Amino acid sequence: DAKTTQPNSMESNEEEPVHLPCNHSTISGTDYIHWYRQLPSQGPEYVIHGLTSNVNNRMASLAIAEDRKSSTLILHRATLRDAAVYYCILRDASVWFGNEKLTFGTGTRLTIIP
Amino acid sequence: NAGVTQTPKFQVLKTGQSMTLQCAQDMNHNSMYWYRQDPGMGLRLIYYSASEGTTDKGEVPNGYNVSRLNKREFSLRLESAAPSQTSVYFCASSEILQPQHFGDGTRLSIL
Repeated sequence: DAKTTQPNSMESNEEEPVHLPCNHSTISGTDYIHWYRQLPSQGPEYVIHGLTSNVNNRMASLAIAEDRKSSTLILHRATLRDAAVYYCILRDASVWFGNEKLTFGTGTRLTIIP
Repeated sequence: NAGVTQTPKFQVLKTGQSMTLQCAQDMNHNSMYWYRQDPGMGLRLIYYSASEGTTDKGEVPNGYNVSRLNKREFSLRLESAAPSQTSVYFCASSEILQPQHFGDGTRLSIL
């Protein structure tokens, strides 16, 4: 499986934008870039995913480099509730039915400063 | 919306005891998964089930068994618990190429 590299931790001030980087230099053409986050004492929750183009949803934006070797999750206006561990995961879209396993790294622990 | 429900939420066992962790989803998903998360680490896949009646090993299957009872339910069994199996266990479900939905976990301590 292609691997991702993320900083162990980041801090950001409340109500400011946050840019969470992820490197995935060995990404293959069929790998989607997924982001999940895990709030304290909860299971992971899906945030966003993309293949080549930048993506937006109600939670965040995903900016993907032109060569796809890196991506950035953008939280436009961080709140205290956004404090969590953020995981960048590559998910191979070419696998057969049902074999869609997620490989989690250690993620980035985001701290929001009031 | 219940989503993925795991029971129990907490459990303490003695070494050698057995127990079954239960997971149920109400989203009519075909695929279900069991992960474990040790302190300070990411989740690791134990077993998964692509559809009712099928199960496959993940990254760390030793010491565990699973049963896909029906489309809704996927249970994880520890036959003879060991301290190394102290962890938080998460169940998830999904449809093909769709995001996985996770339960809130079962916190298991083995003394």
